[in-house]
Amino acid sequence: EPEVTQTPSHQVTQMGQEVILRCVPISNHLYFYWYRQILGQKVEFLVSFYNNEISEKSEIFDDQFSVERPDGSNFTLKIRSTKLEDSAMYFCASSPYSPGLAGHEQYFGPGTRLTVT
Amino acid sequence: GENVEQHPSTLSVQEGDSAVIKCTYSDSASNYFPWYKQELGKRPQLIIDIRSNVGEKKDQRIAVTLNKTAKHFSLHITETQPEDSAVYFCAASIRSGGGADGLTFGKGTHLIIQP
Repeated sequence: EPEVTQTPSHQVTQMGQEVILRCVPISNHLYFYWYRQILGQKVEFLVSFYNNEISEKSEIFDDQFSVERPDGSNFTLKIRSTKLEDSAMYFCASSPYSPGLAGHEQYFGPGTRLTVT
Repeated sequence: GENVEQHPSTLSVQEGDSAVIKCTYSDSASNYFPWYKQELGKRPQLIIDIRSNVGEKKDQRIAVTLNKTAKHFSLHITETQPEDSAVYFCAASIRSGGGADGLTFGKGTHLIIQP
């Protein structure tokens, strides 16, 4: 069964550095998402992406964040200047096209644990 | 924006008994309600979902009910087994005009199955 994959599994970076988190969504999916989960807390929506543009973003997704689909398979999240509070697990998710249905089933990757020191 | 409340935060049940987790949502425009199971250190796994045009959905030992008037939905697990032990998250989203809709999650319920 195809799954969303993410690299790296763990990233340690210093405050102020740029990081790029990578995701390979399920191959025939059309909708892509990034979420984060601070340790022990709930999953929080960051951004969604469809048809090569941002579809929706949360208040967390400020100018320090950007997303890109550089080719037909990868989906990336860039944090330009990391802060201590960016330390979290970052999950990528993808959804198939589901015309006429309310809501898209979202399948999550294994996550990238980002530690900012 | 949408707000999802989830109760209880911890639920301990005897193996073989049933477990019920409840969520409420604030935005009446929400129309999609998935449930995720997350084991320690693993990804959230979609276990069941319900859309606002139905009131109940069942998949083997798992069922979800939706009350749109009261804006709440519940997860029911029957005949619980040790492998059901995990954190369960409810979520809600609003289907907007064809775009990708983000999920708003509850805070999670740590389900413990006692042998």
